[in-house]
Amino acid sequence: DGGITQSPKYLFRKEGQNVTLSCEQNLNHDAMYWYRQDPGQGLRLIYYSQIVNDFQKGDIAEGYSVSREKKESFPLTVTSAQKNPTAFYLCATATAWSTDTQYFGPGTRLTVL
Amino acid sequence: GNSVTQMEGPVTLSEEAFLTINCTYTATGYPSLFWYVQYPGEGLQLLLKATKADDKGSNKGFEATYRKETTSFHLEKGSVQVSDSAVYFCALSLNSGGGADGLTFGKGTHLIIQP
Repeated sequence: DGGITQSPKYLFRKEGQNVTLSCEQNLNHDAMYWYRQDPGQGLRLIYYSQIVNDFQKGDIAEGYSVSREKKESFPLTVTSAQKNPTAFYLCATATAWSTDTQYFGPGTRLTVL
Repeated sequence: GNSVTQMEGPVTLSEEAFLTINCTYTATGYPSLFWYVQYPGEGLQLLLKATKADDKGSNKGFEATYRKETTSFHLEKGSVQVSDSAVYFCALSLNSGGGADGLTFGKGTHLIIQP
């Protein structure tokens, strides 16, 4: 059963702690993306990766870091430098030949207390 | 820069009513245009797309036509159902098999269909 897995669905952390959000896919897609969703603001791009061991900053990369050691995995770390980390985080993937069409995971809601 | 503007919600309609959600865009090139739908607590699902001017995307009774002259991509459905209640996002992409730098989204329109 192909798809995109984000775990956990809900995550709680104390202020000042780093936290890593998981994104795994078995679609064999080359490109992977992280978006942040806030109420009334739509989605904003944090980081993206077109191939293994390479990634690029999106519009709001400050306070976040990523890695792409495997094609299937693109974890996002929310660091203590991120001023407003509480949000809904969405991972997406796309094929190399059709990167304009993206497929989204179910999302992780992060709440920083 | 690139941007997408869509009508603010919530939009509340009765079942079987006609739906229009407006979307206009600003882009430096020739974008592909998309409508995504998000049901409560879930990720986004691609609803339909159009890749060039005058193309019409359609799916599940929804339609949208790429209008280059008015830079618009309005979403329409002839008869909505309660199950269509969701948040709808208009988006654009300037990737055309080359770069892969993500989608630009509108802020979303919350649609509520009452029985």
